[in-house]
Amino acid sequence: GAVVSQHPSRVICKSGTSVKIECRSLDFQATTMFWYRQFPKQSLMLMATSNEGSKATYEQGVEKDKFLINHASLTLSTLTVTSAHPEDSSFYICSARRTILGRTLTDTQYFGPGTRLTVL
Amino acid sequence: GNSVTQMEGPVTLSEEAFLTINCTYTATGYPSLFWYVQYPGEGLQLLLKATKADDKGSNKGFEATYRKETTSFHLEKGSVQVSDSAVYFCALSEGSGGSNYKLTFGKGTLLTVNP
Repeated sequence: GAVVSQHPSRVICKSGTSVKIECRSLDFQATTMFWYRQFPKQSLMLMATSNEGSKATYEQGVEKDKFLINHASLTLSTLTVTSAHPEDSSFYICSARRTILGRTLTDTQYFGPGTRLTVL
Repeated sequence: GNSVTQMEGPVTLSEEAFLTINCTYTATGYPSLFWYVQYPGEGLQLLLKATKADDKGSNKGFEATYRKETTSFHLEKGSVQVSDSAVYFCALSEGSGGSNYKLTFGKGTLLTVNP
């Protein structure tokens, strides 16, 4: 099956520093990846849609300059949390969209295991 | 905008019990509906989906029927196992033709099945 990895799985950083999270599709190419944020006992909130070779599309209320997204290749998207603050502490999850054009169109998102960010 | 409301957990059942997790949605168009499952320490996995009204999605003994009249997509399983213990998310997509692009999720329901 399709596998998506995230690195690191857990990171603790000091306030004011920047943290980069990687999302990789290991056995398929993904022109579109998504970044979600999940608070405890809350649903996944879509932060942005990352398209290979172009600028990411951010959801309303998400600061573009704070959450930098780069989708430089068909298998890698990165999320950089800049000048992190304690309120940025959360669980960040990525997904990669796999489209297979066969007899019917199959279009599925495959999710990474998530990255727990703690900002002190 | 679109939204998904699902049953608050946690839900604790004994093995072989019947499971229902309620899910209702609000959407402006005709969304596709999904159930995702997250086992401990793993990423979300698609459990089942339905792309139009009256469709029934099924997988691993789980079923859910797309009910447009009640805007619901309740998850059911006749006999749960310990291995079904996980967090279950109901979701809908804005995409058309069954594409699961731009998902809106419910809050998730933690299911624990005891032997």
